[in-house]
Amino acid sequence: EDQVTQSPEALRLQEGESSSLNCSYTVSGLRGLFWYRQDPGKGPEFLFTLYSAGEEKEKERLKATLTKKESFLHITAPKPEDSATYLCAVPRGYKLSFGAGTTVTVRA
Amino acid sequence: NAGVTQTPKFRVLKTGQSMTLLCAQDMNHEYMYWYRQDPGMGLRLIHYSVGEGTTAKGEVPDGYNVSRLKKQNFLLGLESAAPSQTSVYFCASSKTSGGASGELFFGEGSRLTVL
Repeated sequence: EDQVTQSPEALRLQEGESSSLNCSYTVSGLRGLFWYRQDPGKGPEFLFTLYSAGEEKEKERLKATLTKKESFLHITAPKPEDSATYLCAVPRGYKLSFGAGTTVTVRA
Repeated sequence: NAGVTQTPKFRVLKTGQSMTLLCAQDMNHEYMYWYRQDPGMGLRLIHYSVGEGTTAKGEVPDGYNVSRLKKQNFLLGLESAAPSQTSVYFCASSKTSGGASGELFFGEGSRLTVL
């Protein structure tokens, strides 16, 4: 069965302290991996699509990378406004299957 | 720029009561989805629709029914609420198959408590 696992569950960072989040998956014939950001009390918001191993996407302080078995979301010099839960997802037919997320807290 | 609107935002029910959650999107999207989000379990798909008049079961459909009579609306019904249905419910829509583009547009959620 397809599985999406995110680690760590929670990450507390000091402002400016770079770190990485992991999304590992067991999917046969991966047809994309997607990252979302979710703020407290809000719905998830789409960030990135990655389709092939070696691909990278960037947005402000976030960079997503993809290998054949996992994806990383790197947060460079984070700011308090980067505090959120970050979700990854893989396609299953018409649908997306989501990981449980990593909650990032950035302290000033 | 309404996007995806869910009503109500909060609701408290007693066990056995029924209710309907309404999702409306103004982006002319074909695909619509209902997810529930529980702590530590992520988003789980309840039902989805690939176009007006169509519905299909997701991962956790038991205890829920849906209807998509109009393209812009997707209704989620609970016929006899149970405490296990206490959750935050999210509606989402996409222009093309979510499994292809990965880009879903989510509403802000409906928090349901069943006592």
